[in-house]
Amino acid sequence: SQQGEEDPQALSIQEGENATMNCSYKTSINNLQWYRQNSGRGLVHLILIRSNEREKHSGRLRVTLDTSKKSSSLLITASRAADTASYFCATVNQGAQKLVFGQGTRLTINP
Amino acid sequence: GAVVSQHPSWVICKSGTSVKIECRSLDFQATTMFWYRQFPKQSLMLMATSNEGSKATYEQGVEKDKFLINHASLTLSTLTVTSAHPEDSSFYICSAYQGGVNTEAFFGQGTRLTVV
Repeated sequence: SQQGEEDPQALSIQEGENATMNCSYKTSINNLQWYRQNSGRGLVHLILIRSNEREKHSGRLRVTLDTSKKSSSLLITASRAADTASYFCATVNQGAQKLVFGQGTRLTINP
Repeated sequence: GAVVSQHPSWVICKSGTSVKIECRSLDFQATTMFWYRQFPKQSLMLMATSNEGSKATYEQGVEKDKFLINHASLTLSTLTVTSAHPEDSSFYICSAYQGGVNTEAFFGQGTRLTVV
């Protein structure tokens, strides 16, 4: 079952612009994670943010978490053509082990 | 980082046959592994949680007799798609935590199954 929704479902921007993707979820969580998937391939972990954290950075990536709104956002700054991929948020619910994925955002960076 | 290896990366089989997919944690022990299914342009749907030495826990709507999971060692889980049909054609992917649930999950490279 899917935990929540992501928006937009698809995003197309010019190289150099910033890309923002949003994720909402439904239940209390232990943590929220963002992954990238290139077409037809495995997933690459980007960032994990715990439920008691509000913001994390990793290189050009910035993730925020608002547990009161049950939402998270992923910001990619200064986008590059190589950032073209699908991005998924996933949550681990409190008391659970399994990682449940959102619908994903297909990001296209135009050169 | 930790490595999860999945084999085969793709397989084509005839309708009615069974296919086994292996998921190995190469440099760590995984008491729990997860199996997902992904249709084109869709998200990952959790199928089951594979527990070393015990029965797998299946998600609602997933047929346990159709998708047999065996987790016989701390580094290997297998998913067998029994009596495969064209509607079973999909991308199957496994994952495991190297640490606890508050650590990143590592994913195999996935298996593209095509049933003809």
